[in-house]
Amino acid sequence: TQLLEQSPQFLSIQEGENLTVYCNSSSVFSSLQWYRQEPGEGPVLLVTVVTGGEVKKLKRLTFQFGDARKDSSLHITAAQPGDTGLYLCGGGSNYKLTFGKGTLLTVNP
Amino acid sequence: DAEITQSPRHKITETGRQVTLACHQTWNHNNMFWYRQDLGHGLRLIHYSYGVQDTNKGEVSDGYSVSRSNTEDLPLTLESAASSQTSVYFCASSGASGTYEQYFGPGTRLTVT
Repeated sequence: TQLLEQSPQFLSIQEGENLTVYCNSSSVFSSLQWYRQEPGEGPVLLVTVVTGGEVKKLKRLTFQFGDARKDSSLHITAAQPGDTGLYLCGGGSNYKLTFGKGTLLTVNP
Repeated sequence: DAEITQSPRHKITETGRQVTLACHQTWNHNNMFWYRQDLGHGLRLIHYSYGVQDTNKGEVSDGYSVSRSNTEDLPLTLESAASSQTSVYFCASSGASGTYEQYFGPGTRLTVT
């Protein structure tokens, strides 16, 4: 069974701070997705990383896929209250995704 | 615009009743998935389908069934609802791009009393 561990589980910061959340596994994945979920809604895809060592930027969000394709990180610069939500990583294999339990981020004004 | 919808959005039912949750997508995706989301467990895969007439069990399939008669729909049936099945259920779909990107519906909150 493939497992994805996300850390930290909870994170509460002030507006303007930087943060990094992690997604780690002992398994190799073909791709890794990051999603953000807001209360009462379904997860929304933020980014897909495929190549080991790949770095993608989405405005203030920077995503990195580990060289061995077993881990990933999400870095947010100058967090804003609108970044508040549950961040989920999902590792792809055999057309299925295995999800971590998520990092619940709260950005306080 | 293509979308994935779920109905109902909220459902309260009694223990022992059969319940069906609907999922409809207009992405024309071959792959469809059902998850449940519970505190402390994250998203867990219930059933999935890679195409019409194909269904497969996920990690928490006991007490649930699905059928795939067309590309657009994958209804999830709880044969005899139990209190342990109180949860939020999400349907998702993905294409054949090989990158495993999934698009989620808005969810159905099911309460079994």
